[in-house]
Order: sequence, then C-alpha cells, then structure tokens
Amino acid sequence: AQKITQTQPGMFVQEKEAVTLDCTYDTSDQSYGLFWYKQPSSGEMIFLIYQGSYDEQNATEGRYSLNFQKARKSANLVISASQLGDSAMYFCAMRTYSTLTFGKGTMLLVSP
Amino acid sequence: GAGVSQTPSNKVTEKGKYVELRCDPISGHTALYWYRQSLGQGPEFLIYFQGTGAADDSGLPNDRFFAVRPEGSVSTLKIQRTERGDSAVYLCASSAGSSLLNTEAFFGQGTRLTVV
Repeated sequence: AQKITQTQPGMFVQEKEAVTLDCTYDTSDQSYGLFWYKQPSSGEMIFLIYQGSYDEQNATEGRYSLNFQKARKSANLVISASQLGDSAMYFCAMRTYSTLTFGKGTMLLVSP
Repeated sequence: GAGVSQTPSNKVTEKGKYVELRCDPISGHTALYWYRQSLGQGPEFLIYFQGTGAADDSGLPNDRFFAVRPEGSVSTLKIQRTERGDSAVYLCASSAGSSLLNTEAFFGQGTRLTVV
C-alpha cells in the first residue's frame, strides 16, 4: 500500500522568507512520481512540481523546488521568497502504476 | 472543454436518496480518479479507472458507492441510500495513461454534496 505523510498541519512564514513543507512517503514500488499541489480557499487543485523516482537532480519550478532524498523517502517542498498569494493548503502526492495517493496536507499562512 | 468538468457543482439531497455525480475528463486522458475531500483534509482516494475498467476500487467505502466509465471517457459516481456522513466535496481528476508516471493529474472543480 502507498502512504504519504505530511506531519505539519500548519506553517507560518513571513513574506519574502523561504519555507519548507515536509513530506515522507512509503511504497514498495521502484518506479513512482512525486507531486506537490496547492489548493487555495477557492478549492481548485493546482499542480506545482514533479519529481521522478529515478531523477538524480532535485526538481525546480520558479520559486518552488523539491528536496528529494530517496534513501530517506522524503520529498520536501521548498518555497523561496514567499508571497501573500502562497497562503493555501499544500498536498504532497505519489503516483504509481496503480494509484495516486495524497497526504493530509499542510496549511501555509504567509504574513506581511 | 479544455479542462476536467464536473457536474453538478453543488448537490443537496435528502438522506436515503440516490445521487449521481458526473465527471468529464480531458479528451484523450485514459486515467481517471475519484476522490472525496472533507473540510481541512486531503483528498481521500475512492476509485481509479484505466480506460473503461476500474483498476483499483479499494477506496470505495462500502457497497452504496459505485462508479462506471462505460466508454472510457465520462465517468459517473453513484451513491445509493445517501447518509449525512457522505457530505463532502467529490473531486475527479484525469491524466494521461498510468504508464506515464511523470504526467500530473488535472482536477475538476469538484461537486459539493450535502446530505440533509
């Protein structure tokens, strides 16, 4: 069975600072993909970044980067230079050939 | 349309009634997922279709829940004898085939189901 664990129910960060959202995963599959999604209060799910299990370099997309440590089965999201619009729920997810599993999420609040 | 479409956007039903929730995925996407999301929680997996067949239905909570995708595109989630605990937002997502692990899933806006 696949499992995603996000241990931080909520995180606070000041505008312009960096923040790390934690994610650990568990799977017996050798091939998998790791994703981060953002869900603002409007409810839509917005894809942010992807990391493949065989990728040797950490993924980056603009202000988002993924700190992938395969041996520790962790895939933390780093948001640099936080903006007020980053306030939202953030979900880590893992895709295998059989399913797409989400964590419980972390609520990020960015203050001025 | 360009994105995943879910109808209705809101559904209020009485306890014990039958409801159908529809998902129209992105054209050409063979993988389709249904999730249930309660307030402040992560999406809870219900069922995954690859083409017309249910590849994994282990998340369906009980036999009141059923989903179909007869032609490999539109899917319908059916809930019989609704209970107040079924109230949630039901999310549908689609993506290119499961063999492409690096393709993200695209989500619809969800159907908010309220059982009164």
